[in-house]
Amino acid sequence: DTEVTQTPKHLVMGMTNKKSLKCEQHMGHRAMYWYKQKAKKPPELMFVYSYEKLSINESVPSRFSPECPNSSLLNLHLHALQPEDSALYLCASSQGGTIDRELFFGEGSRLTVL
Amino acid sequence: AQSVTQLGSHVSVSEGALVLLRCNYSSSVPPYLFWYVQYPNQGLQLLLKYTSAATLVKGINGFEAEFKKSETSFHLTKPSAHMSDAAEYFCAVSDRAAGNKLTFGGGTRVLVKP
Repeated sequence: DTEVTQTPKHLVMGMTNKKSLKCEQHMGHRAMYWYKQKAKKPPELMFVYSYEKLSINESVPSRFSPECPNSSLLNLHLHALQPEDSALYLCASSQGGTIDRELFFGEGSRLTVL
Repeated sequence: AQSVTQLGSHVSVSEGALVLLRCNYSSSVPPYLFWYVQYPNQGLQLLLKYTSAATLVKGINGFEAEFKKSETSFHLTKPSAHMSDAAEYFCAVSDRAAGNKLTFGGGTRVLVKP
């Protein structure tokens, strides 16, 4: 099983809503990532969890709150978002936090903020 | 700081023709280099990676890339384009000086003409 599964695939929310994006992998990977991708742009790193601990936060606004309940799951909690936060949110995982490792990406959750 | 430059945001090739995607990197220490492909409405998938072993790296789907330290380049090639190669291609670099982060280039969209 080499899949990273993300739900939901599409999400529309208002600026006052609270929602969550979920990511799951069963490859035994110990590093998990959230990326944000705007249209026609490369992915931008948001957060990295290594062995279930937050290791990198790329100065992401606090309206985005990551959570790693266990080594297989990664959540991104969304609250009071802005329309400019509309994007494709990609989850990825890798065997470890080392830099030569392949990242396995999910298909993404496409978020629209109204 | 590490960085990646992909020359050409769009490349159009005829089916059966050579595909050449250019990538130049900047890194203060030996880099790890990757090419990822993103098909429409999907996440990213690793094509190949360079991690200081052989300078000519073969990947999936008939792609290969050559690491040239003197030119700080890692260009991607495929001898004969197929319609299924139409996608967005991202070159990425990682090195220890950057704290184990992966930095993506701006991407090159490949269009394959019949």
